[in-house]
Amino acid sequence: DIQMTQSPSALSASVGDSVAITCRASQSISTWLAWYQQKPGKAPKFLIYKASSLESGVPSRFSGSGSGTEFTLTISSLQPDDFATYYCQQHNSYPWTFGQGTKVEIK
Amino acid sequence: QVQLQESGPGLVKPSETLSLTCTVSGGSLSTYYWNWIRQPPGKGLEWIGYIYSSGSTNYNPSLKSRITISVDTSKNQFSLKLSSVTAADTAVYYCARVHYVSGGALDYWGPGTLVTVSS
Repeated sequence: DIQMTQSPSALSASVGDSVAITCRASQSISTWLAWYQQKPGKAPKFLIYKASSLESGVPSRFSGSGSGTEFTLTISSLQPDDFATYYCQQHNSYPWTFGQGTKVEIK
Repeated sequence: QVQLQESGPGLVKPSETLSLTCTVSGGSLSTYYWNWIRQPPGKGLEWIGYIYSSGSTNYNPSLKSRITISVDTSKNQFSLKLSSVTAADTAVYYCARVHYVSGGALDYWGPGTLVTVSS
């Protein structure tokens, strides 16, 4: 199985800050990577596909980059609604796997 | 707007079979892959497997011996059966659709249903 490792596991930031979350794959996954946002008690929300393509309706302050084994989700100018847990997911090979999550908390 | 909704018992006894159904509204099952994902309380996400509208399946090897995913296109539903459950199978179970363009991201999710395995 491809292991997905996110860092940091948690971070504290203020409204208006820019934050970056890293996701590393244990082997190359090209750009077959998605990002999700999850709030407590809710299903994950789809944000980004193919590493850098923004899903329709997702605010442009979210962006993704990377290829191969290293990927980054950047949130520029954090808004109150952005405090949540973020997950990456690879779908380059089966079984599809997720990172362990990064919790973005209010400082 | 596509909507998914999980349904099934919230409590299952150890060694029994967990059975869940996902009902899709606002769209057809055709030409999409339909997934089950689970999340133990306080933990991360685990992909369980998917079924294509034609009935072909792909399962996570870690669960493959205990899983059956089936589809009923006449009811716009697909289902999960997980046999011989233990406390380790306690989780929120989600159904989700594969994003057509990417072929593997998951764009629409149900709200999830908590299944507790306990006697």
